[in-house]
Amino acid sequence: KAGVTQTPRYLIKTRGQQVTLSCSPISGHRSVSWYQQTPGQGLQFLFEYFSETQRNKGNFPGRFSGRQFSNSRSEMNVSTLELGDSALYLCASSPRRDEQFFGPGTRLTVL
Amino acid sequence: GIQVEQSPPDLILQEGANSTLRCNFSDSVNNLQWFHQNPWGQLINLFYIPSGTKQNGRLSATTVATERYSLLYISSSQTTDSGVYFCAALSTSGTYKYIFGTGTRLKVLA
Repeated sequence: KAGVTQTPRYLIKTRGQQVTLSCSPISGHRSVSWYQQTPGQGLQFLFEYFSETQRNKGNFPGRFSGRQFSNSRSEMNVSTLELGDSALYLCASSPRRDEQFFGPGTRLTVL
Repeated sequence: GIQVEQSPPDLILQEGANSTLRCNFSDSVNNLQWFHQNPWGQLINLFYIPSGTKQNGRLSATTVATERYSLLYISSSQTTDSGVYFCAALSTSGTYKYIFGTGTRLKVLA
């Protein structure tokens, strides 16, 4: 069974731009969670989608948003990028909202 | 919300040594996972262990949910064990939101 895939793997943007990241979960997994990892703040929960609905949200500004499609694939969007948004963005899928399995991440650099 | 603390923050070992990493959590948990983050950033699942003890090769883990801690044991360490180890806890609050500890950075010297 294929693992969680994330695209793109690397991204460079400038301040003020917006970005969309994509995550394809393991086949059959309906829950997708997103995390931001930075050296200063560690791994922080962004949000979770289950059956196309956002079920949980972390403490991030409204510039961070996401969605989930009927095939469970998920996208997250960050608008009006700031330097502090530079981070590794990790996506995890779960079959029954229990154990999580992570993708390789997208490394975003904001210049 | 639940707080998750890991110790030690850094650990340097000689190849062949054993080590114990600790994860304390401030509230009751439904689930607990241990991960190893490789140099490219991917989190590799080590154990899914809400309670009890599990073993996988040279690694084993124990979670004592009633006392709010989990331990990861690495025996006969190898240089490939180097990296950052994270624990992540899911509280019983009803929200599906894993909280990660700050990690233990392990370096195994040849």
